[in-house]
Amino acid sequence: RKEVEQDPGPFNVPEGATVAFNCTYSNSASQSFFWYRQDCRKEPKLLMSVYSSGNEDGRFTAQLNRASQYISLLIRDSKLSDSATYLCVVNLRTPGGKLIFGQGTELSVKP
Amino acid sequence: GAGVSQSPSNKVTEKGKDVELRCDPISGHTALYWYRQSLGQGLEFLIYFQGNSAPDKSGLPSDRFSAERTGGSVSTLTIQRTQQEDSAVYLCASSFADQPQHFGDGTRLSIL
Repeated sequence: RKEVEQDPGPFNVPEGATVAFNCTYSNSASQSFFWYRQDCRKEPKLLMSVYSSGNEDGRFTAQLNRASQYISLLIRDSKLSDSATYLCVVNLRTPGGKLIFGQGTELSVKP
Repeated sequence: GAGVSQSPSNKVTEKGKDVELRCDPISGHTALYWYRQSLGQGLEFLIYFQGNSAPDKSGLPSDRFSAERTGGSVSTLTIQRTQQEDSAVYLCASSFADQPQHFGDGTRLSIL
């Protein structure tokens, strides 16, 4: 079993749609959690950290359920520019330590 | 510059040659990480440096891979006797304290 699992997609949605990505992690000792975004042939870029209380940044909402070892990302009113691969990432330590990446979920937003 | 800088951006070499990849982290960042991403695959951790502590080498796939970090700043990842399966994008990241990691643009390595 992979340490971090995501639905690889692709998710093909129209502009304005709401899309949700799910992620599960296997190590209950995981301490910190992130969503990164990776555009084609580019480096991963931090989208947002994920907190137990849930957090929102504009159209993006992230949730963490430690009991279920489950992380989610919700994108509302999707834009063409949201098209990318979204990477679920966990860290066994905070601060520092190696990041464990999911395979990524590909999102394609169409006009 | 303001971000993590990696060089070269692209490297093509023949099987069996040695290669060196360079990473210049964000100034002041104490932690430095190397990852690689093979075609169609997720990111794979290779090695992690934190200050003056012994590096975490648990992700290095074989003894052909090594890395060093001189003076707590620039790091070099060396791959000896390259094989075709070493072809990948090698990404460097750095961070400070409990802040998230920031990635460089990567080095795209192709082994012929």
